[in-house]
Amino acid sequence: GAVVSQHPSRVICKSGTSVKIECRSLDFQATTMFWYRQFPKQSLMLMATSNEGSKATYEQGVEKDKFLINHASLTLSTLTVTSAHPEDSSFYICSVVAGDQETQYFGPGTRLLVL
Amino acid sequence: SQQGEEDPQALSIQEGENATMNCSYKTSINNLQWYRQNSGRGLVHLILIRSNEREKHSGRLRVTLDTSKKSSSLLITASRAADTASYFCATDANTDKLIFGTGTRLQVFP
Repeated sequence: GAVVSQHPSRVICKSGTSVKIECRSLDFQATTMFWYRQFPKQSLMLMATSNEGSKATYEQGVEKDKFLINHASLTLSTLTVTSAHPEDSSFYICSVVAGDQETQYFGPGTRLLVL
Repeated sequence: SQQGEEDPQALSIQEGENATMNCSYKTSINNLQWYRQNSGRGLVHLILIRSNEREKHSGRLRVTLDTSKKSSSLLITASRAADTASYFCATDANTDKLIFGTGTRLQVFP
């Protein structure tokens, strides 16, 4: 399966700052990547679909101006949490769709703590 | 919410016992997938079952799918302490998007 990395693995920031999270597909060219958010002891909620070379598609209730997604190459998508607040503290996970267009391979996740 | 429901929410068993987790979903699907998540880590794909399949095996894993009841089950046989993790079902309604269930936290005691 595809190997996906995320950087950083964890970040602590002050309220009001912006944080960028990178998702890299190391051995697979991904035209589509997904960004999820997971609160403690809860399931994954899809935030947005990142499309290489075009605008991301956001799920209902997710603010596109707050969660900026850039998918400039086939191996890299970035999620920037702008003006982060404590309620944005969460576990952010990205995934890529494999060649069979059915299986998703997930990154290890980024834990964000906003103080 | 389109999110699926899983039960039980938590399950504790002894090594060697079997673990069964159930998943119910709400819409028509193209396929249903099961994922495993160790605490604080990413998800690992376990198995995919298509809507026209009723049962699938992979090693110690057995998955069933009943589309008439919109439900699936994951059976882990002869469990090991290393199977301790959260298990999620996820449905694909042919949109490439996955809708995850609420998850089952499995604890296997040695």
